[in-house]
Amino acid sequence: IQMTQSPSTLSASVGDRVTITCRASQSISTWLAWYQQKPGKAPKILIYKASRLEGGVPSRFSGSGSGTEFTLTISSLEPDDFATYYCLQYNSYSPELTFGGGTTVEIK
Amino acid sequence: QVQVVQSGAEVKKPGSSVKISCKASGGTDSSYAISWVRQVPGQGLEWMGGIIPVVGSANWAQKFQGRVTITADDSTSTVYMDLRNLRYEDTATYYCARSPPFCSTVSCYARLSNWGQGTLVTVSS
Repeated sequence: IQMTQSPSTLSASVGDRVTITCRASQSISTWLAWYQQKPGKAPKILIYKASRLEGGVPSRFSGSGSGTEFTLTISSLEPDDFATYYCLQYNSYSPELTFGGGTTVEIK
Repeated sequence: QVQVVQSGAEVKKPGSSVKISCKASGGTDSSYAISWVRQVPGQGLEWMGGIIPVVGSANWAQKFQGRVTITADDSTSTVYMDLRNLRYEDTATYYCARSPPFCSTVSCYARLSNWGQGTLVTVSS
């Protein structure tokens, strides 16, 4: 299963509402997670099962979608949110996971 | 608090093998999933495979079929990833990551709440 993430780069300002999209090449139900990664650091999980917020993650992050189209929304961008975001799909028919290509959120 | 600690950086020659260890400590449960994820410098994340130690069975991406072995020693809470026949393009940072406690189905390969510090593997002649 291929994951197409868009945009690849996004310029935004503090306080902006930001939306990142991931499209799957076939239906994956809600088996999708979102990760944030900062340079030189390990990724950090934000969302799992498409819309469930991982413990300790700020509520300004939210996820939605099912089937083939998914979105990660940051309701009001904070300085700590400038990073690269990846989606990760899991297909129940074949335990082979795939990351999206990543979206870098940079300061406008 | 669960901590995941990986073995140190490695420099390997093309055609050789590397074995990276990943020890999860601080947790009281024995049912969790471990995924291995790599990142080539300047590029995105790539899922390589995973294992559920309490079950013992591993899964891996088709791309690494025949080159990767993932094993677990449940007695020491340590997981190993062995990558054989190394190529220059295997130069990357390799991460292991663990699911939350009691998340031990295959879907938990995607819910990675604790990550190791990463192990840089450099393939060079």
